[in-house]
Amino acid sequence: QLQLQESGPGLVKPSETLSLTCTVSGGSIRSGSYYWGWTRQTPGKGLEWIGSVYHSGSSDYNPSLKSRVTVSVDTTKNQFTLKVNSVTAADTAVYYCTRSTGYYYFPSDYWGQGTLVTVSS
Amino acid sequence: DIQMTQSPSTLSASVGDRVTITCRASQNISSWLAWYQQKPGKAPKLLLYKASSLESGVTSRFSGSGSGTEFTLSISSLQPDDFATYYCQQYHSKGTFGQGTKVESK
Repeated sequence: QLQLQESGPGLVKPSETLSLTCTVSGGSIRSGSYYWGWTRQTPGKGLEWIGSVYHSGSSDYNPSLKSRVTVSVDTTKNQFTLKVNSVTAADTAVYYCTRSTGYYYFPSDYWGQGTLVTVSS
Repeated sequence: DIQMTQSPSTLSASVGDRVTITCRASQNISSWLAWYQQKPGKAPKLLLYKASSLESGVTSRFSGSGSGTEFTLSISSLQPDDFATYYCQQYHSKGTFGQGTKVESK
């Protein structure tokens, strides 16, 4: 059974970089037409797709976040990573790593449990 | 950006009721629509994709319809496990979600 698990700091200071890693188990990140991505959830803005990466390293992003976000993949570790630069309180959210089939922003059939990241000094 | 608007925001229903949730897109998205169920403290769970295709393992109590800009999610006979928040997501252009519909016990 495929499992995704987020890891990373739960507290990040304003203006710094948020960095999260998703470890995939029960399957290879290189197999199939799967896209590995991040979605976040806040009480105010709800669910928001952030961006996704293919095992080749190609990626796609939400236009509203594109200037600050990088999603990358490490196939040797079966992991992918999210970096958000210059964070503010508005980036406080539960961050989920996901798998989608078919294209970058297609529906996600597998989700991690989610990790709360708070931006505060 | 394609905006997704769900209605109602909250729906009060009883076990056994037929429940319908509506999702409207700000422009034509053909059938590129998915529905999710989310329970408190849990990740969303994919229920349907391509507007009406049931995800593997999801009960046939759930059904979806629509195309273009108007879509519905129906639960044929509400069960205790179905009390949750439901989200639509368009994937015609990038991916944007509706604001959610909470189905609560009447």
